[in-house]
Amino acid sequence: AQSVSQHNHHVILSEAASLELGCNYSYGGTVNLFWYVQYPGQHLQLLLKYFSGDPLVKGIKGFEAEFIKSKFSFNLRKPSVQWSDTAEYFCAVNSDNYGQNFVFGPGTRLSVLP
Amino acid sequence: DADVTQTPRNRITKTGKRIMLECSQTKGHDRMYWYRQDPGLGLRLIYYSFDVKDINKGEISDGYSVSRQAQAKFSLSLESAIPNQTALYFCATSEPPGQGPDTQYFGPGTRLTVL
Repeated sequence: AQSVSQHNHHVILSEAASLELGCNYSYGGTVNLFWYVQYPGQHLQLLLKYFSGDPLVKGIKGFEAEFIKSKFSFNLRKPSVQWSDTAEYFCAVNSDNYGQNFVFGPGTRLSVLP
Repeated sequence: DADVTQTPRNRITKTGKRIMLECSQTKGHDRMYWYRQDPGLGLRLIYYSFDVKDINKGEISDGYSVSRQAQAKFSLSLESAIPNQTALYFCATSEPPGQGPDTQYFGPGTRLTVL
């Protein structure tokens, strides 16, 4: 079965620190990749997505992610985090082989200290 | 996102009770999904529907049932609630592949507590 793993359960950073959240998936075929963010008490919102083309994808709020097919990875990065980035981050994958359904990772909680 | 709404937003119930969670969307999407979110487990798919006549089980469908009353409405029922169904439940919609960005749009969630 297709699966998504996220390397860190909880990341704690100070403001202005750089961020990288890891995401790996298990399926070897064509995939679409997503990062969603869930701010405290809110629903999931799309940060960015990759379908094809340039493997470096830029999203909202200064986030970017790089698709590395050989590593089955789609890591999320931000050069300088802010207190307002405190949230839970979910990586998700969908593919034709999985009926176009989405498989989510377990999430990484990011706490940014002011 | 006001395009996808869920009712109720919070519910506390007792073991053995039947519960229905409702989802409505104004995005005009054919595809709708129900997930539950548990700490450390992310989102897990309960049921999904690709159109009004299409209902499919997801990863964790046991103990749940759904009804797709119309394109815009997708309800999730717990026939006999049990405490380990205490979770945050999300409804989502998406467009079919090839008709635009294949992104999911989530409702605000329903927090269900089963005592």
